Formats: sequence, structure tokens, C-alpha cells
Amino acid sequence: DGGITQSPKYLFRKEGQNVTLSCEQNLNHDAMYWYRQDPGQGLRLIYYSQIVNDFQKGDIAEGYSVSREKKESFPLTVTSAQKNPTAFYLCASSIGGQGALEAFFGQGTRLTVV
Amino acid sequence: AQKITQTQPGMFVQEKEAVTLDCTYDTSDPSYGLFWYKQPSSGEMIFLIYQGSYDQQNATEGRYSLNFQKARKSANLVISASQLGDSAMYFCAMREGMGSNYQLIWGAGTKLIIKP
Repeated sequence: DGGITQSPKYLFRKEGQNVTLSCEQNLNHDAMYWYRQDPGQGLRLIYYSQIVNDFQKGDIAEGYSVSREKKESFPLTVTSAQKNPTAFYLCASSIGGQGALEAFFGQGTRLTVV
Repeated sequence: AQKITQTQPGMFVQEKEAVTLDCTYDTSDPSYGLFWYKQPSSGEMIFLIYQGSYDQQNATEGRYSLNFQKARKSANLVISASQLGDSAMYFCAMREGMGSNYQLIWGAGTKLIIKP
């Protein structure tokens, strides 16, 4: 089955630690995105990538980093510079640009700082 | 300023009734698109329906329809004959911008609970 797989589903981070969230898709989509979701708020874009080896900052990129070495994979690293990382993180992909066609989402990773 | 406003934080609806979820938007871009997504408790976002700013007719997808009132800048989602499985968070989102650098702007969501 084609889709987007995010792992892990739950992740706990200690203060000052970097953690990496995985996102893999087998839909052959060019574009991939990372969103952050906080309670009572809509999604906010962290980073997006239109093609391999290229990515752009979204609205809240500070404290995060990404790579796009393969079309299928777009991992997100939450660095120690991100002061409030506790949130729900969603990865998505689409054929075209961010809003050109529907996006397909993974099931999310819930990150908690302990 | 909020570009996408969903004024209903939560709604309770009796099973089999129709439900309307409100969404108003603000943009000066003549070309834009409006999306509705459903987020069940499992967490993933599921695309429901899309309306382009130049589309002449309201979009429909099965039990979902979009009541698009351009002059009022509203794009309400209508779910006919609601089912228990419709209980979820619902998000309205707007695409604005041109070229390959579209931006999606999301509302805060409405939590819909269908009562048996």
C-alpha cells in the first residue's frame, strides 16, 4: 500500500538533546513537508522540500533542521535550540507544490520533553 | 491577523443530521484555493474536498459539499447524514500565492462529535 510512514509514534526528549523524526513515502511524490501542531492551533509549516537535495524554511524553522538526500525520505531533526519542542509533528507529501493538489499525511509523531 | 477563521471550537450533532462547519478566510490574492481536512484521533490528516477561487460550482465529494460564498469570503463544509465515524477534528486551509511556492494557511480547527 502506498502512503507515508512516520516513526516513532511517540518520542521523549531530554533537555539539550537532539532528536530525529523519520518520514518515508512510497507515493513517488516530489514535494514533502513538515508541520507542527499545537493544541487549539492550526498546522504551522516548519520546512518543505520540492525536490531532492533542496529544501526551504517554513514559518517556524528555527531550532529545526532537515535533509532530503532521497526522494522517499525527509527526516526532521529537532535540535536543542528549539526551546519548546513538545508538540505533534506531521509529515506530508504531494505531487506538486504545497497547495496545488491534495497532500497526503503520515500519522504523526508526538514529541514530549522530559 | 487571522487569515483562516473557524469560529466553532466544538460541535455536538445528532447522528444522521446534517452539519455545517464554518470557515471564513481573508486574502487579497485573486487566485486561491480552499481545502477541508479531517483529523481523526489516529492523528493523520485526511483530505476531504477542495474549492478553487475560480470554480463556478460548489465542490461536492460524496456526503461532503463546500458552500462557497466568495463575496462573503466563506467556505463552509456541509456533511450530510452524519455518521458516528465523522467524529473528528476538521480543519479548513487556504492556498494563496502563485508559482511553485504555494503556502497553505490553516485554521485552528473544529472538533465535531456525533451523538448516537
